[in-house]
Amino acid sequence: DGGITQSPKYLFRKEGQNVTLSCEQNLNHDAMYWYRQDPGQGLRLIYYSQIVNDFQKGDIAEGYSVSREKKESFPLTVTSAQKNPTAFYLCASSIDLGRINEQFFGPGTRLTVL
Amino acid sequence: GENVEQHPSTLSVQEGDSAVIKCTYSDSASNYFPWYKQELGKRPQLIIDIRSNVGEKKDQRIAVTLNKTAKHFSLHITETQPEDSAVYFCAARANDYKLSFGAGTTVTVRA
Repeated sequence: DGGITQSPKYLFRKEGQNVTLSCEQNLNHDAMYWYRQDPGQGLRLIYYSQIVNDFQKGDIAEGYSVSREKKESFPLTVTSAQKNPTAFYLCASSIDLGRINEQFFGPGTRLTVL
Repeated sequence: GENVEQHPSTLSVQEGDSAVIKCTYSDSASNYFPWYKQELGKRPQLIIDIRSNVGEKKDQRIAVTLNKTAKHFSLHITETQPEDSAVYFCAARANDYKLSFGAGTTVTVRA
């Protein structure tokens, strides 16, 4: 398993607090993605980044924010505006946006908001 | 955007039998269809994929078929084994380079 890491594995936060999930990759990939996974649902795209200092909203970006200051890092902030933040969050990367078939996933972070 | 539907949501098979999972997609421009396997508490892993210019692809005990006219594709697992028990996701990619995922199928292989 290596190449793309997420921390922490489990995260608990109180309602109303912002929380930042870490995603790091050493695969020299340009493209990175954040997905949310809920029980009984497929992965839904939150944000993606094609290159450093650039990112785009996915299908469910409301209540989330990202940054891409370094190629290897793509942190996701879950803000208090996200109405139902408890979920399993997966980060992924690929060589570039066009080669999304070679997408590698991180181990995930399970966020629970109390 | 693309909408992917996956059936069934759960599937229980006897060890040694075959398992079939079906997905339909809405965007006729979709050109790439991967399948992922996710074991409990672990990350999804790509197990097989197919492009729109191919009708079928096999890799040992797994195969994927694609019907572009009907906009559906299927995963076939033959001679199932206990280690095949997992959640399987289909996905489709249209020209926007984003993957749209199905809701997943929980496969249980009974010994």
